[in-house]
Amino acid sequence: DGGITQSPKYLFRKEGQNVTLSCEQNLNHDAMYWYRQDPGQGLRLIYYSQIVNDFQKGDIAEGYSVSREKKESFPLTVTSAQKNPTAFYLCASSFAGGYNEQFFGPGTRLTVL
Amino acid sequence: AQSVAQPEDQVNVAEGNPLTVKCTYSVSGNPYLFWYVQYPNRGLQFLLKYITGDNLVKGSYGFEAEFNKSQTSFHLKKPSALVSDSALYFCAVRIGAFYTGTASKLTFGTGTRLQVTL
Repeated sequence: DGGITQSPKYLFRKEGQNVTLSCEQNLNHDAMYWYRQDPGQGLRLIYYSQIVNDFQKGDIAEGYSVSREKKESFPLTVTSAQKNPTAFYLCASSFAGGYNEQFFGPGTRLTVL
Repeated sequence: AQSVAQPEDQVNVAEGNPLTVKCTYSVSGNPYLFWYVQYPNRGLQFLLKYITGDNLVKGSYGFEAEFNKSQTSFHLKKPSALVSDSALYFCAVRIGAFYTGTASKLTFGTGTRLQVTL
């Protein structure tokens, strides 16, 4: 099946730990994105990448880092510098060009203990 | 700058009645507009988009949306609601261009919860 996969589905982190969320797509999409979803705030863009080895900060990049070493993969690391990391994290991908819709993965729910 | 407003946090509709979920936007240029639906603890699913052309856009699951440039609106509609349509709906916008070099950077509204009852 073609699509976007995210793992794990649920993730628990202790204070001061870094954690990495996985995102993989087999849709041959050029662009990939990470969003954070909090209740009542919609989706906010963390980072996005148009091509391999290139990525840009979104609206709320502080405390997060990404890499894009392969076209299919765009992992997100939530660092200890992120003050309030408990949220639902969504990965998406699309073909290049602003008229193309984004396809979303099933999400990872991160909880800080 | 670009922004999206979904003025209603929740919309309640009886099954079989028409539904409307409202969206207004603000962009400095021609807009590309999108509607997505989210079921509990799931990712977003694409419903439909407006890029150019006919103002009435038809999408998945019987949904449609009307682009109104003068009112800067893109309301989502369905002639007859189903209980299974109950979900969270998001409107999103970006500045339209064939390719701006900034990927498809979308701005999302805060979402409207649709509750369809028997």
